[in-house]
Amino acid sequence: DVKVTQSSRYLVKRTGEKVFLECVQDMDHENMFWYRQDPGLGLRLIYFSYDVKMKEKGDIPEGYSVSREKKERFSLILESASTNQTSMYLCASSSGERGTDTQYFGPGTRLTVL
Amino acid sequence: AQSVTQLGSHVSVSEGALVLLRCNYSSSVPPYLFWYVQYPNQGLQLLLKYTSAATLVKGINGFEAEFKKSETSFHLTKPSAHMSDAAEYFCAVTENSGYSTLTFGKGTMLLVSP
Repeated sequence: DVKVTQSSRYLVKRTGEKVFLECVQDMDHENMFWYRQDPGLGLRLIYFSYDVKMKEKGDIPEGYSVSREKKERFSLILESASTNQTSMYLCASSSGERGTDTQYFGPGTRLTVL
Repeated sequence: AQSVTQLGSHVSVSEGALVLLRCNYSSSVPPYLFWYVQYPNQGLQLLLKYTSAATLVKGINGFEAEFKKSETSFHLTKPSAHMSDAAEYFCAVTENSGYSTLTFGKGTMLLVSP
């Protein structure tokens, strides 16, 4: 089975802190994604990566950056956390180059910024 | 551009009743369509996907969906609801044109009463 793990299930940070969310997948997938999930808004794509050291902006990249130094790991960085970044963050991975490939999701990190 | 509309943020059914969750999409090219389910405090899990083969797609846990091009719809059904079906359901679309990302709907919470 594909396994996508996220470093924390719950995280509480203060405004202005630098926050790292880590995601690791164990199926040698080329593609990795970061989403945020908010009630009534569904999932919105923040960034994605289709290869090591490659990254592409999604629909809502402002206030975020990412890093992919190894194929299995994709990090989401909040350079200076703000209260409007309080949300559930979901990581996903998939193989191949086609949009038909299933995305496999981690359990999510619920981030609260005070 | 692609988009997904899920009608009804909440749907309530009785155990044993028909489940119908509605999804309409917009896409400028032939789409691929997905239904994902999210159980409480978990990540998303694929229920089923349409990738231009059979228009009636069967998924896990007794769910199925029918692609209707003329109605731009991909509604999810299950003949008889179980208490364990209570979860949030997301419809998603991607374009059948090389590499593409998923666009998710806002989700529908399914409530099942005894």
